[in-house]
Amino acid sequence: DAGVIQSPRHEVTEMGQEVTLRCKPISGHDYLFWYRQTMMRGLELLIYFNNNVPIDDSGMPEDRFSAKMPNASFSTLKIQPSEPRDSAVYFCASTDHREGEQYFGPGTRLTVT
Amino acid sequence: AQSVTQLGSHVSVSEGALVLLRCNYSSSVPPYLFWYVQYPNQGLQLLLKYTTGATLVKGINGFEAEFKKSETSFHLTKPSAHMSDAAEYFCAVSGWRDDKIIFGKGTRLHILP
Repeated sequence: DAGVIQSPRHEVTEMGQEVTLRCKPISGHDYLFWYRQTMMRGLELLIYFNNNVPIDDSGMPEDRFSAKMPNASFSTLKIQPSEPRDSAVYFCASTDHREGEQYFGPGTRLTVT
Repeated sequence: AQSVTQLGSHVSVSEGALVLLRCNYSSSVPPYLFWYVQYPNQGLQLLLKYTTGATLVKGINGFEAEFKKSETSFHLTKPSAHMSDAAEYFCAVSGWRDDKIIFGKGTRLHILP
């Protein structure tokens, strides 16, 4: 398997623009997680899905953030409108509930100017 | 509820010296414990995990960790550091049947020539 795939790897956008980050989990995994990593706050869990259903979105910072998982092989994290403080690396991870450990994608580095 | 404390945000060791990264956890249920490594501009990669059974766990790249219930610790060690070990290391905990993994704030390991 190719592992967790994220796109784009880098995104530079201007404040106010909409940003969409994409993730393809490992085939057969039933959980998908979105994280944000910054120097100041470390690794933060934003939201996670089980069998395509959002289970816990308490980590989503504000209504500007939304996430969807229309099917088992695809998820998106959208920020609208984006702000400079959203600049971070966003990671997607997936797991099979029987394994325990999460498999991380390479991340998307977002810069909002 | 689970939590993780990593002692030392930065650790420096000489090449060839012992690596010791400290992790203490708190868990109200029997824990699953993990160590992840993050190389620059990459996602997190699992080094090793403890679920049940043998308390000394061996991982990739010569690392190992010992689960000590009495001390609520899961310290990571490697007998001889290599330059390629320079990275950030994350200790993490989840409870049996938990969906989420709780990550520590990370320890950046520097290897001195």
